[in-house]
Amino acid sequence: AQSVTQLGSHVSVSEGALVLLRCNYSSSVPPYLFWYVQYPNQGLQLLLKYTSAATLVKGINGFEAEFKKSETSFHLTKPSAHMSDAAEYFCAVTFSGGYQKVTFGTGTKLQVIP
Amino acid sequence: DAGVTQSPTHLIKTRGQQVTLRCSPKSGHDTVSWYQQALGQGPQFIFQYYEEEERQRGNFPDRFSGHQFPNYSSELNVNALLLGDSALYLCASRGLAGTSTDTQYFGPGTRLTVL
Repeated sequence: AQSVTQLGSHVSVSEGALVLLRCNYSSSVPPYLFWYVQYPNQGLQLLLKYTSAATLVKGINGFEAEFKKSETSFHLTKPSAHMSDAAEYFCAVTFSGGYQKVTFGTGTKLQVIP
Repeated sequence: DAGVTQSPTHLIKTRGQQVTLRCSPKSGHDTVSWYQQALGQGPQFIFQYYEEEERQRGNFPDRFSGHQFPNYSSELNVNALLLGDSALYLCASRGLAGTSTDTQYFGPGTRLTVL
């Protein structure tokens, strides 16, 4: 069975500070990993994805994530937080090929303090 | 490219009623999945449709059913609504596995309130 755990349901950072959102996964086979962002009353927008190519993945809006197999982690980072980054972020896991479902974490709400 | 579209955006029903939600996938996508997102939770997988057949199903009762049409659009039906069915229902589409379209994109969702 596949699963993801997001550490910290709420994270607060100051504007301009480093953003670090944590995600650990559990998977019996090589995973595909994703980060999605959700703004209030909206659907999910894909930030970035890891599909077994480069372990450091760059996404939109200055976000990036590093796949670390030894730590089973896929943490999301951004060097400098912007007010517009305030949203909820979801880590998700699936497998390659076929009709695999995507399993989501419980989400981390990011607050950016001016 | 219109992306994934869903209708309606909001819906209010009473317990015991039935509801149908609709989804049109992103251009070039042939696989549609439905998710339920309760308030303060992550999306939970309901089921996935490909070639007009249900290919995968999550832990949801038979009250939840779906359909995919030849143009790849999809419907989610929920019968005998319960208060606990109140949630944001998200539709997601993707293309052929292992290709450039093999990334899941989400629609804006339908907010269902059951009174």
